[in-house]
Amino acid sequence: SAVISQKPSRDICQRGTSLTIQCQVDSQVTMMFWYRQQPGQSLTLIATANQGSEATYESGFVIDKFPISRPNLTFSTLTVSNMSPEDSSIYLCSVGGDSHNQPQHFGDGTRLSIL
Amino acid sequence: GQNIDQPTEMTATEGAIVQINCTYQTSGFNGLFWYQQHAGEAPTFLSYNVLDGLEEKGRFSSFLSRSKGYSYLLLKELQMKDSASYLCAVTTYGSSNTGKLIFGQGTTLQVKP
Repeated sequence: SAVISQKPSRDICQRGTSLTIQCQVDSQVTMMFWYRQQPGQSLTLIATANQGSEATYESGFVIDKFPISRPNLTFSTLTVSNMSPEDSSIYLCSVGGDSHNQPQHFGDGTRLSIL
Repeated sequence: GQNIDQPTEMTATEGAIVQINCTYQTSGFNGLFWYQQHAGEAPTFLSYNVLDGLEEKGRFSSFLSRSKGYSYLLLKELQMKDSASYLCAVTTYGSSNTGKLIFGQGTTLQVKP
């Protein structure tokens, strides 16, 4: 399966600032997804990153708060904007899921703490 | 709406067998995935079921009953390294054909000597 690299692996940020997380894949992939995993919780899909068009956001997530870029088939970014302590989470990108029976594979995640 | 339920925590003994259940109520159900997540690590894919029945992969097996909205993950010959969270996730037919995942809350399994 594809090798997925996320940067940064962790960060501590100040309230009100923004952070951009990068996800790089070693091969071209059609589908890329961004998830949030809050402390002690499971994964929640934020959005599907579409190459060449705007991301598709899930209910409860908006572009102003979580802008996403997908400039090509190997790279995507997620920005967490105007951060507050409630945004302290692990953010994960995944690839795969081109069809319903194809598993998704996850990057190692970005552990974000907001002070 | 979408609802996926798993037990929060389970404990089992090394060498034993454990069954982790997952029940779901989702519209447009397509298939069900199981993932393993060790503390501080990313989830890794374990198994996929789309048809009723049992899928076996070594020490791990997964079962699906579409009519009952029920799945389980069976772990045999438990090892200490199996201590992890096990996540049940479903895919549904929606406006797109992609495999968007909806996760349950996960089951934390502790294996004791």
